[in-house]
Amino acid sequence: DAGVTQSPTHLIKTRGQQVTLRCSPISGHKSVSWYQQVLGQGPQFIFQYYEKEERGRGNFPDRFSARQFPNYSSELNVNALLLGDSALYLCASSQIGYAGEQYFGPGTRLTVT
Amino acid sequence: QQQVKQSPQSLIVQKGGISIINCAYENTAFDYFPWYQQFPGKGPALLIAIRPDVSEKKEGRFTISFNKSAKQFSLHIMDSQPGDSATYFCAASIGDQKLVFGQGTRLTINP
Repeated sequence: DAGVTQSPTHLIKTRGQQVTLRCSPISGHKSVSWYQQVLGQGPQFIFQYYEKEERGRGNFPDRFSARQFPNYSSELNVNALLLGDSALYLCASSQIGYAGEQYFGPGTRLTVT
Repeated sequence: QQQVKQSPQSLIVQKGGISIINCAYENTAFDYFPWYQQFPGKGPALLIAIRPDVSEKKEGRFTISFNKSAKQFSLHIMDSQPGDSATYFCAASIGDQKLVFGQGTRLTINP
């Protein structure tokens, strides 16, 4: 079975631009979570979605938004990019009710210049 | 109260030795404690996990020890190998909600 897939792999954007990152969960998993990992730190929770509904939101500004589609794939959007948004954005796939078992994709490396 | 504190920040172990990484938490509502292994340029991979109703879980060379009263848990890697060189993260969650990660430990196994 395929694992979590994310696209694109790398992305370079300029301050003030907008970016959309994409994620496809493991087949059968209905929940997707997004995390931001700044170099040298642990991942920080951004959003969790289940059955297209937002289930949790981390301490990130409103410039960050996400959605989940009927096929359980998800998009993370970041508007008005800042230099500090440069990070590895990770998508995690899980089954609700299987407490905590989240499986991560390879991530999208976003560089803001 | 949502923090998970991890130590050490970096660790160097000789091949064949035991690597030990420690984590502490404050929120007693946490009920799932996984460890992730991350190689450079890759996403974190779930290594092993424990729930608070057991004090130890072993999978191959990897063991989690859990001390509920002290609110601490640790990862032991027995017979450490150069291929184990990676960054390790502990984490905690309440049910199937968000994972709260530690700061990470960069492990280097010298051949």
